[in-house]
Amino acid sequence: DVKVTQSSRYLVKRTGEKVFLECVQDMDHENMFWYRQDPGLGLRLIYFSYDVKMKEKGDIPEGYSVSREKKERFSLILESASTNQTSMYLCASMVGRGNQPQHFGDGTRLSIL
Amino acid sequence: AQSVTQLDSQVPVFEEAPVELRCNYSSSVSVYLFWYVQYPNQGLQLLLKYLSGSTLVKGINGFEAEFNKSQTSFHLRKPSVHISDTAEYFCAVSDLSGAQKLVFGQGTRLTINP
Repeated sequence: DVKVTQSSRYLVKRTGEKVFLECVQDMDHENMFWYRQDPGLGLRLIYFSYDVKMKEKGDIPEGYSVSREKKERFSLILESASTNQTSMYLCASMVGRGNQPQHFGDGTRLSIL
Repeated sequence: AQSVTQLDSQVPVFEEAPVELRCNYSSSVSVYLFWYVQYPNQGLQLLLKYLSGSTLVKGINGFEAEFNKSQTSFHLRKPSVHISDTAEYFCAVSDLSGAQKLVFGQGTRLTINP
């Protein structure tokens, strides 16, 4: 089975801090994704990466950046955390193209105080 | 661009009753369709997917969905639900161009009452 591991289940940070969320997958998938999940809004794509060092903006990239230095690891960075970035963050990975399912981690619930 | 609308934000049903969770999509091109389930405090898991062929798709845990191209719908059904089906359900689409991106609906919270 594919395993997608997010480094923290719960995280509390302060406004203005630089925050790193880490995600690791063990199936050599070329595609990795970061979403945020908010009640009533479903999942919204922040960034995705289709190869090492390659990235594309999703629907809500403002205030975020990403890093993919190795194939198995995809990091989400909040450059200067703000309270409106309090949310659940989900990482996913996928092999191939759009007819394949995405495999999700258990999520990181991030609170910005 | 695609969009997905899940018509019900919450659906309460009694145990052993049938359930239907509704999903409509909008797209200018042909799409692949997915249903995912999220149990409390977990990530999303794939329930089923429609790629092509038969419009009735069977998934895990006794769920099935029917693709209706004329109505641009992909409703999820189960003939008899259990307490363990309590979860949030998400409908999603990707287009046939091969793009990796999924577009998700807002989610439907299914609550099973004993």
